[in-house]
Amino acid sequence: QVHLVQSGGEVKKPGASVKVSCKASGYTFSSYGISWVRQAPGQGLEWMAWISVYNGNTKSAQNVQGRVTMTTDTSTTTAYLELRSLTSDDTAVYYCARAGIASAGTGLRYWGQGTLVTVSP
Amino acid sequence: DIQMTQSPSSLSASVGDRVTITCQASQGISSFLNWYQQKPGKAPNLLIYDASNLETGVPSRFSGSGYGTVFTFTISSLQPEDFATYYCQQYDDIPITFGQGTRLEIK
Repeated sequence: QVHLVQSGGEVKKPGASVKVSCKASGYTFSSYGISWVRQAPGQGLEWMAWISVYNGNTKSAQNVQGRVTMTTDTSTTTAYLELRSLTSDDTAVYYCARAGIASAGTGLRYWGQGTLVTVSP
Repeated sequence: DIQMTQSPSSLSASVGDRVTITCQASQGISSFLNWYQQKPGKAPNLLIYDASNLETGVPSRFSGSGYGTVFTFTISSLQPEDFATYYCQQYDDIPITFGQGTRLEIK
């Protein structure tokens, strides 16, 4: 069965960077993409970015463009999200979700458990 | 960006009730619309994909319909485990956008 297991919670200071990992299992990693979705405390869902594991194509939301880098490691079937220049507005639970090979939002059926990133002075 | 306006934002209902949630897109999105359920502290769970297709393993009391700009999500007979927050999500264009959510509470 498909599993996405994310790295543990992080506490960062404003201006720092954070890197969240998402280890996939139970499917052919390179045949899909990974979308990243975050949820600030008590708020709704916000899509951030997507990467096609197959060819490395990426798309991201304008409010994180320039601050976000996504990578994948097919040898370990792990996807990574790095977010730089953190502010308190980046405090949220970050989720990875299996997405389409060419589509960022096609039926996000499988999700990681979430990683809480807290940005605090 | 395509704005997804979900209504109502909250809803009180009883076990056995029929409930309907509406999602309106700011421009036509064909059938590129999914519905998710989220419980506190958990990741979202896909219920309906492509506007009207029931995800495997999801009970048939859940259904979705619509095309273009107006979509509805219905639970035909509420069960205790259905009290949660529901989100619509469009994937016709980047950025992918979600509705603001509908919190379904027990009356």
